[in-house]
Amino acid sequence: LAKTTQPVSMDSYEGQEVNITCSHNNIATNDYITWYQQFPSQGPRFIIQGYKTKVTNEVASLFIPADRKSSTLSLPRVSLSDTAVYYCLVGVLTGTKAAGNKLTFGGGTRVLVKP
Amino acid sequence: DTAVSQTPKYLVTQMGNDKSIKCEQNLGHDTMYWYKQDSKKFLKIMFSYNNKELIINETVPNRFSPKSPDKAHLNLHINSLELGDSAVYFCASSDRAYNQPQHFGDGTRLSIL
Repeated sequence: LAKTTQPVSMDSYEGQEVNITCSHNNIATNDYITWYQQFPSQGPRFIIQGYKTKVTNEVASLFIPADRKSSTLSLPRVSLSDTAVYYCLVGVLTGTKAAGNKLTFGGGTRVLVKP
Repeated sequence: DTAVSQTPKYLVTQMGNDKSIKCEQNLGHDTMYWYKQDSKKFLKIMFSYNNKELIINETVPNRFSPKSPDKAHLNLHINSLELGDSAVYFCASSDRAYNQPQHFGDGTRLSIL
């Protein structure tokens, strides 16, 4: 079972790049890495997902080294509205009841963007 | 239109009671989930259904029982509520299993007196 660890919190300033690293030393071969953003009193919201190397979309990039034991979410040029808790999720889900179905969230990283 | 909706939003009740939380998704997704978020904001999966079949059943007390009457609904029934059940419960759905992004509801805050 992948134990997933993130920093508890980090501060940044508007316009800066924020990088959040998630450690998952026991990641399994079929596990994917997914990042979510959560605002107070709301459910988590999908940001990005990857399996290996680099993935980029309109809001973030995800860097995954070759050994896949960690992953880094990169948020370019953050604004005040990016203040939230960010979670990494590691695991695999098949369509059937299989022993390998596992989804493990990290503890979340509280990002505070200052003006 | 709300994609994943949970009712009620708040639930305050006493120890020993039985309660249910309902979840509905209008996204046409095949897979639904229940998560528990504790006071320290840790998120832990409890159950997952794919096409009404239970595919994840984590180690939770058997006082918790999910029910999926159809693909669009996944309800959570909790018997004999205990103080430690106080948490926010999130329902989510995804388009098929196979590691698809999940869409979450806004949660049900359960408080046990």
